Amino acid sequence: QVQLVESGGGVVQPGRSLRLSCAASGFTFSSYGMHWVRQAPGKGLEWVAVISYDGSNKYYADSVKGRFTISRDNSKNTLYLQMNSLRAEDTAVYYCAKALVLYSSSSDTNYYYGMDVWGQGTTVTVSS
Amino acid sequence: NFMLTQPHSVSESPGKTVTISCTRSSGSIASNYVQWYQQRPGSSPTTVIYEDNQRPSGVPDRFSGSIDSSSNSASLTISGLKTEDEADYYCQSYDSSNHGVFGGGTKLTVL
Repeated sequence: QVQLVESGGGVVQPGRSLRLSCAASGFTFSSYGMHWVRQAPGKGLEWVAVISYDGSNKYYADSVKGRFTISRDNSKNTLYLQMNSLRAEDTAVYYCAKALVLYSSSSDTNYYYGMDVWGQGTTVTVSS
Repeated sequence: NFMLTQPHSVSESPGKTVTISCTRSSGSIASNYVQWYQQRPGSSPTTVIYEDNQRPSGVPDRFSGSIDSSSNSASLTISGLKTEDEADYYCQSYDSSNHGVFGGGTKLTVL
């Protein structure tokens, strides 16, 4: 069965960096786009970033653009989120999720329109 | 960009039917697929509806999704409510820049 296991969370000081990982199994990882979604304590879900199946296309929420980098290693079936210049407001549970994908012939674009299967999450706390 | 607005909370009795709305602020609700996610306390989200009205395998047919262009909204309807349906529910769509957009979430209480 499809399984996504996040790791790498922890407590980090403001301004420092952290890298999250998401190990995938049970499906052909290299064929699917992947999302990162986060949830601050007691708050709702916030989309963070998405990456195409081959890593050639990446999209970011305005709140993390320029600070976070999504990447993947298809040889290791692993998704990453490199988080730099962390702020207190980045404190959240971070989930990876397998993307639902739609190809638009009119715009020759893949749209990663939703989330299919979610991981269990990893907690990031940014605090001095 | 647009926003998706959901009621903060809804409540209903076991066995009844409840509908949760998700209103798009600008642009047509029919332009981009809407998904619905269930998040039980202490758990990660799971997908209950995708592509406006499709159920993943394993999701009971008590769950259904629809869109209404007249109100520019999507709806999640749960019939035959069970106590296990008590959870937070989130609608989600995407924009033309491939940015995901979530609603604020609705807490469903089954009492």
